[in-house]
Amino acid sequence: DGGITQSPKYLFRKEGQNVTLSCEQNLNHDAMYWYRQDPGQGLRLIYYSQIVNDFQKGDIAEGYSVSREKKESFPLTVTSAQKNPTAFYLCASSFTGTKDGYTFGSGTRLTVV
Amino acid sequence: GNSVTQMEGPVTLSEEAFLTINCTYTATGYPSLFWYVQYPGEGLQLLLKATKADDKGSNKGFEATYRKETTSFHLEKGSVQVSDSAVYFCALTVSGNTGKLIFGQGTTLQVKP
Repeated sequence: DGGITQSPKYLFRKEGQNVTLSCEQNLNHDAMYWYRQDPGQGLRLIYYSQIVNDFQKGDIAEGYSVSREKKESFPLTVTSAQKNPTAFYLCASSFTGTKDGYTFGSGTRLTVV
Repeated sequence: GNSVTQMEGPVTLSEEAFLTINCTYTATGYPSLFWYVQYPGEGLQLLLKATKADDKGSNKGFEATYRKETTSFHLEKGSVQVSDSAVYFCALTVSGNTGKLIFGQGTTLQVKP
């Protein structure tokens, strides 16, 4: 079955360390997205990519980096420059230019210890 | 610009009560409208959608009608269950857009036995 997989589900990081969150999809979607969700809050867009080897900053890109070397994969690196990285991170994918909406992964909960 | 406004939560109901979660939007062009649901600790799942005015989306007893004249897409269910407790997000995407979704802030629903 096609879907979108995020790993790991829980991640702990020490202050000052970079950490990479994985997102893989086998839906043949063109576009992929990363969102951050804080407790009781809505979704904030970090980065998105509509095509391989290209990506754009969202609303809160500072302290994060991404790559899109393959259509199926869109990893997110949380760098030490991110001041408050503890959050729930959601990855999503979609076909570009359609009105079908997104498919979401199950999320990664990152905790800085 | 394009935006989505949802009623603030939390909404607390007793089991078998009638549910309405209000959603209004501002959009250029002809948006498609969506409701997503997020159960605790999980990613978002598409609940229902409507792509043109007067369409009714429905799924799992939930319904929403695309009202162009009032720019609304209110979510309703006739009889809620404890298992419906979740966060509900209204969203839109606009023709000619990249396919990117614009989300409301989410509304938390708590159903008590």
